[in-house]
Amino acid sequence: EPEVTQTPSHQVTQMGQEVILRCVPISNHLYFYWYRQILGQKVEFLVSFYNNEISEKSEIFDDQFSVERPDGSNFTLKIRSTKLEDSAMYFCASSREGHSYEQYFGPGTRLTVT
Amino acid sequence: AQSVTQPDIHITVSEGASLELRCNYSYGATPYLFWYVQSPGQGLQLLLKYLSGDTLVQGIKGFEAEFKRSQSSFNLRKPSVHWSDAAEYFCAVVLKTSYDKVIFGPGTSLSVIP
Repeated sequence: EPEVTQTPSHQVTQMGQEVILRCVPISNHLYFYWYRQILGQKVEFLVSFYNNEISEKSEIFDDQFSVERPDGSNFTLKIRSTKLEDSAMYFCASSREGHSYEQYFGPGTRLTVT
Repeated sequence: AQSVTQPDIHITVSEGASLELRCNYSYGATPYLFWYVQSPGQGLQLLLKYLSGDTLVQGIKGFEAEFKRSQSSFNLRKPSVHWSDAAEYFCAVVLKTSYDKVIFGPGTSLSVIP
């Protein structure tokens, strides 16, 4: 069964550094998403991406964040200058056209900012 | 306030016992309703969904859920729990005004006693 994959599984970085989290969505899916879960808190929506542009973003997704689909298979989340409060589990998800409500999630990347 | 609530933070059941996890939502119109499961070290797996029609929906791993409009609830059930069901369970909604965003409840942690 096809699945969403994410790399790395765990990333440790120093405050102020840039990080790129990578995701490979399911191959025939056209909608892509990022969510995050701060330890002990809810899973929160960050951004959705379709047709090479952001379709919706939350107030969390400020200028420090950006997303990109650099090629036909990868979908990335970049945090330009990490803060301690960016420490969280980041989930990528994808969905197929006409079924954006049914999202398939990857295993997550745990980001630790020190 | 608009929200998804899961009243039980943590539930412990014996293996073979029945299970019911509660979920309530507070939105003007009935959203699409979902249950996700997160096993340790795993991503968020979709268990089942309610979009419309029959209010009792079947999912994977022997789970079912019942939508009750009058109670704004979407409770998850399983007649006989297995030790492998120990995980975090998230109720989630997608608003029909914003298909891109899955809104998660806080989660219920399930422990299973052998």
